[in-house]
Amino acid sequence: SQKIEQNSEALNIQEGKTATLTCNYTNYSPAYLQWYRQDPGRGPVFLLLIRENEKEKRKERLKVTFDTTLKQSLFHITASQPADSATYLCALYNDYKLSFGAGTTVTVRA
Amino acid sequence: GAVVSQHPSWVICKSGTSVKIECRSLDFQATTMFWYRQFPKQSLMLMATSNEGSKATYEQGVEKDKFLINHASLTLSTLTVTSAHPEDSSFYICSARPEGAGGHNEQFFGPGTRLTVL
Repeated sequence: SQKIEQNSEALNIQEGKTATLTCNYTNYSPAYLQWYRQDPGRGPVFLLLIRENEKEKRKERLKVTFDTTLKQSLFHITASQPADSATYLCALYNDYKLSFGAGTTVTVRA
Repeated sequence: GAVVSQHPSWVICKSGTSVKIECRSLDFQATTMFWYRQFPKQSLMLMATSNEGSKATYEQGVEKDKFLINHASLTLSTLTVTSAHPEDSSFYICSARPEGAGGHNEQFFGPGTRLTVL
């Protein structure tokens, strides 16, 4: 069966450190993968998209890698800030629709 | 740009009643809108894909007679939960894909509607 797994449910880090989140998938062949941020009681907000032929994408303090051989994406938040505290979702685009992982909740301590 | 609104943001209703949730794209036209449901600490689950002027496509396991979807214009889709029961209590989120966008363009999500059925 198809599965999208995000490493841990929660990640606590000190301000200024780098947070690394993992997204692994099975039985998908996604054309691309997206990362979203979701705050409590709110809808997801799009952050980054990376295509199957791209190894790495950056946007400000965010970096995403995509390894289709390992079927894995890594999402990095560098120089983290308390305002980065949120749940981060990975989503695969496959068969004309998005499928989401359960998310990893990141808490950045000041 | 690319703002999607939902109304209401939260609703409490009695078991057996029907509830309508609206999803609007405010500054773009959306040929396709999507409805998701999210239970606490779980992922967003796609319920149905709504295309303007045609019938919605429902995901496996989603009852189309219970979750009525209407996409009457390029900026409005509605989800009606009919004969709601406590197990329908959830966070309902819509998203919209701009008209003319390729299949890989990102979707823009609404803020969600919290439904509580007593």
